[in-house]
Amino acid sequence: DAGITQSPRHKVTETGTPVTLRCHQTENHRYMYWYRQDPGHGLRLIHYSYGVKDTDKGEVSDGYSVSRSKTEDFLLTLESATSSQTSVYFCAISEGVNGELFFGEGSRLTVL
Amino acid sequence: KQEVTQIPAALSVPEGENLVLNCSFTDSAIYNLQWFRQDPGKGLTSLLLIQSSQREQTSGRLNASLDKSSGRSTLYIAASQPGDSATYLCAVRLDAGNNRKLIWGLGTSLAVNP
Repeated sequence: DAGITQSPRHKVTETGTPVTLRCHQTENHRYMYWYRQDPGHGLRLIHYSYGVKDTDKGEVSDGYSVSRSKTEDFLLTLESATSSQTSVYFCAISEGVNGELFFGEGSRLTVL
Repeated sequence: KQEVTQIPAALSVPEGENLVLNCSFTDSAIYNLQWFRQDPGKGLTSLLLIQSSQREQTSGRLNASLDKSSGRSTLYIAASQPGDSATYLCAVRLDAGNNRKLIWGLGTSLAVNP
């Protein structure tokens, strides 16, 4: 299995509070991604990174920000969580831009 | 606009049966296609990646085929086992210059009954 660790795995928070999810990889892959998975929508890309300090928006980036200060770590931040951000969040990595994707175990976030 | 469809949404079969899962896409200009499995409450596990120049890929009891002209990929599972029960997702990467976006299907939920 690809060495991808997400933390926390479960979090319950209240509307308006900031939340940070962490993705840590041991594979030294250049590309890292944050997805959310919701019933009926499948997987949707939030943000991705193509190198240290290099990030770009995905299809559902509003309300989210990311940072990548080291190759191995990719952080997803919800500045002010809303109930619509209740979801399961997955981190993924790939060696090349079109390469095989490998996923973490997911972080389940509930915003009350 | 590329759309990826997986039909049926759910499938239940007895153990030992050979089965085929389908993934259809509307635009044949794809770069590659990847099959995943997802167990309940878990992340996605990559099963097979097929490049657009390939017709099939095999891994153990799994065989994935790709027919770009008909817009279809199939995942064949031989001699199914209860441990194969999971949701199977396909993802199609568009062949569109520098923006090779990944389009996801909603998956087929497979139950293999002992």
